Amino acid sequence: EAQVTQNPRYLITVTGKKLTVTCSQNMNHEYMSWYRQDPGLGLRQIYYSMNVEVTDKGDVPEGYKVSRKEKRNFPLILESPSPNQTSLYFCASSSGAAGNTIYFGEGSWLTVV
Amino acid sequence: KNQVEQSPQSLIILEGKNCTLQCNYTVSPFSNLRWYKQDTGRGPVSLTIMTFSENTKSNGRYTATLDADTKQSSLHITASQLSDSASYICVVSAMRFGNEKLTFGTGTRLTIIP
Repeated sequence: EAQVTQNPRYLITVTGKKLTVTCSQNMNHEYMSWYRQDPGLGLRQIYYSMNVEVTDKGDVPEGYKVSRKEKRNFPLILESPSPNQTSLYFCASSSGAAGNTIYFGEGSWLTVV
Repeated sequence: KNQVEQSPQSLIILEGKNCTLQCNYTVSPFSNLRWYKQDTGRGPVSLTIMTFSENTKSNGRYTATLDADTKQSSLHITASQLSDSASYICVVSAMRFGNEKLTFGTGTRLTIIP
């Protein structure tokens, strides 16, 4: 079964405490990305990766880092979380070709206090 | 600036009734348009994908239409079921320098009542 798996699903953390949200896909997809979803706004892209060791900024990259050391994994790193990073985060993957299905993970609810 | 606007913001209908959701976009250069269903607290799930040359695409009780001239799309749901209660998101894609850039609408929140 095609899957994008994110962990943790729910997390409450304190300002400044580094955290990592993991993302893994089992479809051998080249393209992976991270989005955040906030009330009243459409999903906004944080970072994306076209392939291993190839990453680039999306629309709202400030305060986030990513890495792509393996094809299946694309972790999102918050080095020093702040309350404005409280959001619902989605990891997504696709084959990369335009028009192909984009698969989303189940989401990670992050609260920074 | 690329934009995707969806209407209505929310909709409540009786089980068994039909409904139509709207999506207007100003995305250039247009590549394709997707509709996604997102249950509360879950990830979006793909319903349909349409390219410039496609006018309509069906997936069971879901039928999407696309008018690339007027830059409008609609999602029609037939014989609604309680499980159709969800947010429906329109996503429009543009191609730039070989990369696909997605613009997401804010979604229509659909509630089906028995």
